[in-house]
Amino acid sequence: DTGVSQNPRHKITKRGQNVTFRCDPISEHNRLYWYRQTLGQGPEFLTYFQNEAQLEKSRLLSDRFSAERPKGSFSTLEIQRTEQGDSAMYLCASSFGPLGYTEAFFGQGTRLTVV
Amino acid sequence: DQQVKQNSPSLSVQEGRISILNCDYTNSMFDYFLWYKKYPAEGPTFLISISSIKDKNEDGRFTVFLNKSAKHLSLHIVPSQPGDSAVYFCAAIKDDKIIFGKGTRLHILP
Repeated sequence: DTGVSQNPRHKITKRGQNVTFRCDPISEHNRLYWYRQTLGQGPEFLTYFQNEAQLEKSRLLSDRFSAERPKGSFSTLEIQRTEQGDSAMYLCASSFGPLGYTEAFFGQGTRLTVV
Repeated sequence: DQQVKQNSPSLSVQEGRISILNCDYTNSMFDYFLWYKKYPAEGPTFLISISSIKDKNEDGRFTVFLNKSAKHLSLHIVPSQPGDSAVYFCAAIKDDKIIFGKGTRLHILP
């Protein structure tokens, strides 16, 4: 197992286009988290899954954002009608159990640039 | 509102000396505190954690101190090495979410 994998690593898109990112967590990790990091800020929580169930969504996640984890394994994050303010690093993390008892492992992120 | 605050955007330390990174928090209900290290173009990497019921945790060159009455924690790195140059995020866990500070960029000078 090579850790949390995110694809693509970089994405440049025109404003108004839809984009989809994929995250493959570490095998057998039942929790999967999405974070967003903008320049000069720390990562901000977007949403998380326990197996296939989406347990919480941040108010940062507007209606244009949707995340899925259909079989409790990989997850996708889709942004519809992208805006320049969506430009950021999108980070995925996974853990085996509740945070604090176990650590979260982060992927290398997908850097989105909206032009 | 910023629940986890790192007020120093950057810090420069001579190689071999002690690096001290500071962090303040506002929520007394946090269960755990963490430090993550991040290199450019990589995701954050877990460094060390401390439970809210403890006041110190040590792992090799890294020690985290927690002062609950002051709502303050610090990360000490002794001795500092060139590979320690990175952005360090202080973070807290609440309700199964990690809440990050803005980070402090540590430069280790030769």
